[in-house]
Amino acid sequence: DTGVSQDPRHKITKRGQNVTFRCDPISEHNRLYWYRQTLGQGPEFLTYFQNEAQLEKSRLLSDRFSAERPKGSFSTLEIQRTEQGDSAMYLCASSLVTSPRDDTQYFGPGTRLTVL
Amino acid sequence: DQQVKQNSPSLSVQEGRISILNCDYTNSMFDYFLWYKKYPAEGPTFLISISSIKDKNEDGRFTVFLNKSAKHLSLHIVPSQPGDSAVYFCAATSLSGTYKYIFGTGTRLKVLA
Repeated sequence: DTGVSQDPRHKITKRGQNVTFRCDPISEHNRLYWYRQTLGQGPEFLTYFQNEAQLEKSRLLSDRFSAERPKGSFSTLEIQRTEQGDSAMYLCASSLVTSPRDDTQYFGPGTRLTVL
Repeated sequence: DQQVKQNSPSLSVQEGRISILNCDYTNSMFDYFLWYKKYPAEGPTFLISISSIKDKNEDGRFTVFLNKSAKHLSLHIVPSQPGDSAVYFCAATSLSGTYKYIFGTGTRLKVLA
């Protein structure tokens, strides 16, 4: 399977703990995105990378959140001192942008985070 | 401020009939639009997209129409099949600006056998 993969699929943690999620994009995709989705809402943009450079961060991404894509391949999203409001599905997507008029993003299955 | 709106939270259609899902947007800078389908416990799956230079794009049973003056797009599924039952999200972005997608809140389609 050459799609976007995410690990873990589910994470239950206690408030105040740190968690880290991993995303492996489709091979050779140059862009990688993180979104968060809560019940009844569409995915909300958090941040994106062009190769290894983080080019934009949403104001939803508080100081407790950090994302990296160290070699321009896989990415990690870390949440420090988790809060109950962080409970959500965290989605990763990747795209291969070869022209200005094409940026179709392909999503992974998501990591569902539950903060107790 | 909800820049992309899907005003129908749910829709039921008989198998074999047409399903029409609607989406409205407010930001005139959006120039690329997509539809995704989402099953429970899975990530969104790309269905079809349309650039603002077109007003229609077709792919098999799926057709997306874009009305730029009304800032409205719609997804037509013909004929509808029970396997099409899912939540459908429309998304919009500006390829000349940032690349984040703005998603609507989704429409749950149920195709009745």
